[in-house]
Amino acid sequence: EPEVTQTPSHQVTQMGQEVILRCVPISNHLYFYWYRQILGQKVEFLVSFYNNEISEKSEIFDDQFSVERPDGSNFTLKIRSTKLEDSAMYFCASSVSPAYQETQYFGPGTRLLVL
Amino acid sequence: AQSVSQHNHHVILSEAASLELGCNYSYGGTVNLFWYVQYPGQHLQLLLKYFSGDPLVKGIKGFEAEFIKSKFSFNLRKPSVQWSDTAEYFCAVKVGGGNKLTFGTGTQLKVEL
Repeated sequence: EPEVTQTPSHQVTQMGQEVILRCVPISNHLYFYWYRQILGQKVEFLVSFYNNEISEKSEIFDDQFSVERPDGSNFTLKIRSTKLEDSAMYFCASSVSPAYQETQYFGPGTRLLVL
Repeated sequence: AQSVSQHNHHVILSEAASLELGCNYSYGGTVNLFWYVQYPGQHLQLLLKYFSGDPLVKGIKGFEAEFIKSKFSFNLRKPSVQWSDTAEYFCAVKVGGGNKLTFGTGTQLKVEL
């Protein structure tokens, strides 16, 4: 069964550094998402992306964050200047289409630790 | 803004016991409801979902959930749990035609032999 994959599985970085988290969505999926889960808290929506542009973003997704689909397979989340509070598990997800009833398939996550 | 509440944070059951995990949401309009499961060391997987029609939804691995609109609830049930059901269970909602999922805090289920 096709799966969403994410790299790296763990990333440790210094405060102020830039990080790029990578995701490979399921190949025929067209709608992509990033969520995050700070330890002990809820999984929170960050951003959705369709047709090479952001379709929705949360208030968490400020100017420090950006997303990109650099080629036909990867979907990336960049944090420009990391803060301690960016430490979290980041999940990528994808769905076949933007239709309301479509299931989102999640990747295994990248655990980001900002020191 | 919509929110999702899961009442039980940790549940411990013996094998063959029945399971019911509570989920309530706050939103007055049309909702789509989901239960996801995360087995230890694995990614979030869809258990079942409700969009319309029969409010009793059957999912994988013998799980089912009932949408009760008047109670804003979507509780997850399984008549007889197995040790392999040990996992974290997340209720989630989509509202108003949007695509973002709003999650509850999750319920950690441990099934003992």
